[in-house]
Amino acid sequence: ETGVTQTPRHLVMGMTNKKSLKCEQHLGHNAMYWYKQSAKKPLELMFVYNFKEQTENNSVPSRFSPECPNSSHLFLHLHTLQPEDSALYLCATTANIGSGQPQHFGDGTRLSIL
Amino acid sequence: RKEVEQDPGPFNVPEGATVAFNCTYSNSASQSFFWYRQDCRKEPKLLMSVYSSGNEDGRFTAQLNRASQYISLLIRDSKLSDSATYLCVVNMGTDKLIFGTGTRLQVFP
Repeated sequence: ETGVTQTPRHLVMGMTNKKSLKCEQHLGHNAMYWYKQSAKKPLELMFVYNFKEQTENNSVPSRFSPECPNSSHLFLHLHTLQPEDSALYLCATTANIGSGQPQHFGDGTRLSIL
Repeated sequence: RKEVEQDPGPFNVPEGATVAFNCTYSNSASQSFFWYRQDCRKEPKLLMSVYSSGNEDGRFTAQLNRASQYISLLIRDSKLSDSATYLCVVNMGTDKLIFGTGTRLQVFP
């Protein structure tokens, strides 16, 4: 059982909609991440948060907007997405940034853009 | 050249077989290494970390060769439940994980 929970598990939205993905962790970790996994492609890092502060934006389009209100919650706000944004979006956490420790993943939100 | 390269497979092996996966990485500054397992339509789960001295966890053995920038995973006595995609993952030391595209394993009865 994962200590990282993502909701919703599945999301279908139109290109003009606004929605948010939520990630909640119960591991007491300080670093949180958003990844995108498209079909037949490796996972791509999107954003990194350390103690609620964004430390990395991996050239992600502005139609994706992350928010980290506290160390247990991470959101990804979505607006005016494109069909190529359809993918599995994964949240991950690690105890301390720069520690080289493995990351623990949530079970993801499968997003489909119509 | 991709930062992390894996043979995509699929590897189709019978139960009880031994199978080995290889992975190469391009950045010599890479600091830590992992194998993750991902089942179809599920999240990646850590299988094991990889150390220079090599490490074993039950039927799984991981090896790292820093000089050749090469990582391997050996699975002995394959089980049906081992069927999954195995992801080679490299940590650049800034917690930026670089993932391979994965190697798919299918174990058949």
